[in-house]
Amino acid sequence: AQTVTQSQPEMSVQEAETVTLSCTYDTSESDYYLFWYKQPPSRQMILVIRQEAYKQQNATENRFSVNFQKAAKSFSLKISDSQLGDAAMYFCAFAFGNEKLTFGTGTRLTIIP
Amino acid sequence: DTGVSQNPRHKITKRGQNVTFRCDPISEHNRLYWYRQTLGQGPEFLTYFQNEAQLEKSRLLSDRFSAERPKGSFSTLEIQRTEQGDSAMYLCASSLDLTGSSPLHFGNGTRLTVT
Repeated sequence: AQTVTQSQPEMSVQEAETVTLSCTYDTSESDYYLFWYKQPPSRQMILVIRQEAYKQQNATENRFSVNFQKAAKSFSLKISDSQLGDAAMYFCAFAFGNEKLTFGTGTRLTIIP
Repeated sequence: DTGVSQNPRHKITKRGQNVTFRCDPISEHNRLYWYRQTLGQGPEFLTYFQNEAQLEKSRLLSDRFSAERPKGSFSTLEIQRTEQGDSAMYLCASSLDLTGSSPLHFGNGTRLTVT
């Protein structure tokens, strides 16, 4: 079974600074997908960024980028130029083939004005 | 695209009662998922459908839980004889493709409180 671990329950960052959220996962598969989802307070969960394991290039979406280390089974999220609207719970998630998404326990990100 | 819709938003019930939640996915999405989320935790998989077929059900899911997706459109999740441990946010999500790469679109969830 696949597992996803987020070891940072809470993180905080000064507005306009950069923060990195950590995620590790465990799988015996070689081809899979990794995601970061964002869940703002009392709002629905939305996709932030997605990475295919077969791609060596790290995914980037505007201020959000990942550091995907396949051998280390690590998938961290970097948020640059943090904004107040980035405050949320961030969940790392894993999917293999056409199976369901498995989530980590989340990291609560606070933005300090 | 009106998004994934879940009703009701909140449900308070007494222990032992039955409750039913509804999810309307994005219309062209063929996959529909139910997750449960407790405070401070990540979403926990319950079950999912591909069109009207229920493909997988979590082994953690009690027999008191049942889900349906008639005609491959909306879905309902029923909890019979509710227990206080059932109190949680129940999330529905849908996706278009058959591969794991397809992002999930989530609804706002139904918050269940069992007293």
